[in-house]
Amino acid sequence: GAVVSQHPSWVICKSGTSVKIECRSLDFQATTMFWYRQFPKQSLMLMATSNEGSKATYEQGVEKDKFLINHASLTLSTLTVTSAHPEDSSFYICSGVGAGGTYEQYFGPGTRLTVT
Amino acid sequence: AQSVAQPEDQVNVAEGNPLTVKCTYSVSGNPYLFWYVQYPNRGLQFLLKYITGDNLVKGSYGFEAEFNKSQTSFHLKKPSALVSDSALYFCAVRDSRGYQKVTFGTGTKLQVIP
Repeated sequence: GAVVSQHPSWVICKSGTSVKIECRSLDFQATTMFWYRQFPKQSLMLMATSNEGSKATYEQGVEKDKFLINHASLTLSTLTVTSAHPEDSSFYICSGVGAGGTYEQYFGPGTRLTVT
Repeated sequence: AQSVAQPEDQVNVAEGNPLTVKCTYSVSGNPYLFWYVQYPNRGLQFLLKYITGDNLVKGSYGFEAEFNKSQTSFHLKKPSALVSDSALYFCAVRDSRGYQKVTFGTGTKLQVIP
């Protein structure tokens, strides 16, 4: 299956700083990428959908100025958590969908963010 | 609005027995349905999907699922469970029309007992 990588796999940062998470599709071109938060023992919460070269579409309740998403190429999307606070601590997961109408998502392994 | 329900937080099954993980959905248009599996400390992996065609779809690792339009269900099944099948399973739905958003269920933890 298609492979998606995320970097870093875990990060600890101080409150008020910004953190960038990278999501790369390694062996396919991801025309669409999704960013999710996953809380312990809970489902995935979609944060935003991004198409290459376009502005991301954010879900209701997700602050677009706080969670900056860039999808600059067909193999790279980044999520920057700006001015992080402890409540932003979570597991962030990205996924990509290839071209050609296959529809299924290929997920990265996730990034554990802890804000102290 | 679209939604997915996985009524069981956990399913326990003895190794070698058949397993079923339940999923029902709600969507305005025709559904695209998916099952994903998450092993501990690993990312979600795609198992199978229903887009159109045969109601019974077969996927990875011997899993299959049956699309039932009248019952709006897409239950995941396997004839003979393995201990290695123990994981968290997510059902997901997307409306076939336009917008790409996929809604996930809350997940069902499958425990296969040796």
